[in-house]
Amino acid sequence: NAGVTQTPKFQVLKTGQSMTLQCAQDMNHNSMYWYRQDPGMGLRLIYYSASEGTTDKGEVPNGYNVSRLNKREFSLRLESAAPSQTSVYFCASRFLPGTTQNNEQFFGPGTRLTVL
Amino acid sequence: LAKTTQPISMDSYEGQEVNITCSHNNIATNDYITWYQQFPSQGPRFIIQGYKTKVTNEVASLFIPADRKSSTLSLPRVSLSDTAVYYCLVGGSGSARQLTFGSGTQLTVLP
Repeated sequence: NAGVTQTPKFQVLKTGQSMTLQCAQDMNHNSMYWYRQDPGMGLRLIYYSASEGTTDKGEVPNGYNVSRLNKREFSLRLESAAPSQTSVYFCASRFLPGTTQNNEQFFGPGTRLTVL
Repeated sequence: LAKTTQPISMDSYEGQEVNITCSHNNIATNDYITWYQQFPSQGPRFIIQGYKTKVTNEVASLFIPADRKSSTLSLPRVSLSDTAVYYCLVGGSGSARQLTFGSGTQLTVLP
């Protein structure tokens, strides 16, 4: 099992450019998440998908769009990148929202994005 | 949403027990308490989760008092490799939504 994979690992964009961050999980998880982490800060939720076919906004959704392509894949798109979006982006997945014990999130290795 | 408060940083020495306390005064009835560990340049990793009293696994223990307004993560006999940021999260496991991680506690283990 690869767990949660993210591509690319690093990316540099110019202001106004667009790009899509890819995320995939092979653990048959229902829920998937996108977070951003700025230097010295905790993670902030951008968007999440409770199950295939659904997406919802998190704490900081402005400037982003997401697509839950299928159960395995959840992509994050920046339509017009801004320097304020320079950050590390983490994708995560979780098994079932309805379970109670050890319902942990599994995180990918992150994508380090710099917007000039 | 339940907000959490943790110390910004803590120092310890190898071999000592470390206790990190998290305050969550407005925790809801169906909220669980979850702790994650994050090393530099990596995604967070689950440590432990609990609802009340005490939970123990091979890595840590989690102590939750009866009022559940705080919780304490206990790391027995820390080593240099335990140097990391530790995050406390509060939320309902029945909900797909996850709460903001907050700033966490930077634990530095000294030789």
